[in-house]
Amino acid sequence: DTEVTQTPKHLVMGMTNKKSLKCEQHMGHRAMYWYKQKAKKPPELMFVYSYEKLSINESVPSRFSPECPNSSLLNLHLHALQPEDSALYLCASSPPGKNRGTTEAFFGQGTRLTVV
Amino acid sequence: QKEVEQDPGPLSVPEGAIVSLNCTYSNSAFQYFMWYRQYSRKGPELLMYTYSSGNKEDGRFTAQVDKSSKYISLFIRDSQPSDSATYLCAMAGYNFNKFYFGSGTKLNVKP
Repeated sequence: DTEVTQTPKHLVMGMTNKKSLKCEQHMGHRAMYWYKQKAKKPPELMFVYSYEKLSINESVPSRFSPECPNSSLLNLHLHALQPEDSALYLCASSPPGKNRGTTEAFFGQGTRLTVV
Repeated sequence: QKEVEQDPGPLSVPEGAIVSLNCTYSNSAFQYFMWYRQYSRKGPELLMYTYSSGNKEDGRFTAQVDKSSKYISLFIRDSQPSDSATYLCAMAGYNFNKFYFGSGTKLNVKP
């Protein structure tokens, strides 16, 4: 299994809603990431989890709350979002950085989020 | 100065042409150099990656890294209409916890 699976594929939510994005991989990768991608822009890093611990938070507003319940799962909890948060949210994973021979980043297909 | 610079294009070529896509970077700590392909409304998919300098070939695709010039390239031989997509370069340091993307070059291969 060499896939990163994201659900849902599409999500429409109101500004008062609470929703969660889910990401799953079974490649034994210990680094997982959330990216946000706006139209015609490259993906922007939001969070990095390394060995289930949050290692990087790129000054993301608190209305986005990541969670890594185990080494295969990564969630992004959403609450009180704004219309400008509408974007493609991508999850990615990579093997432990110390292993030079297998360093690859795998992306999921993304969740297209629309905030109304 | 941006960490990674990439010409946004668009780049339009006829089918069968050789395509050259390039990125420059400023951080000499980068060790991993990746090329992603992104079709419209899809997430970026990893095409190729190299570690440190050198060339890597995979079918019609060749990735080159010149660390002395801080310049990387992706060549596509015998380009096909199905190669039409946005190509993003990305780079990371040794521990690979954080990587930087270029802005992407939009490629259009005309039949």
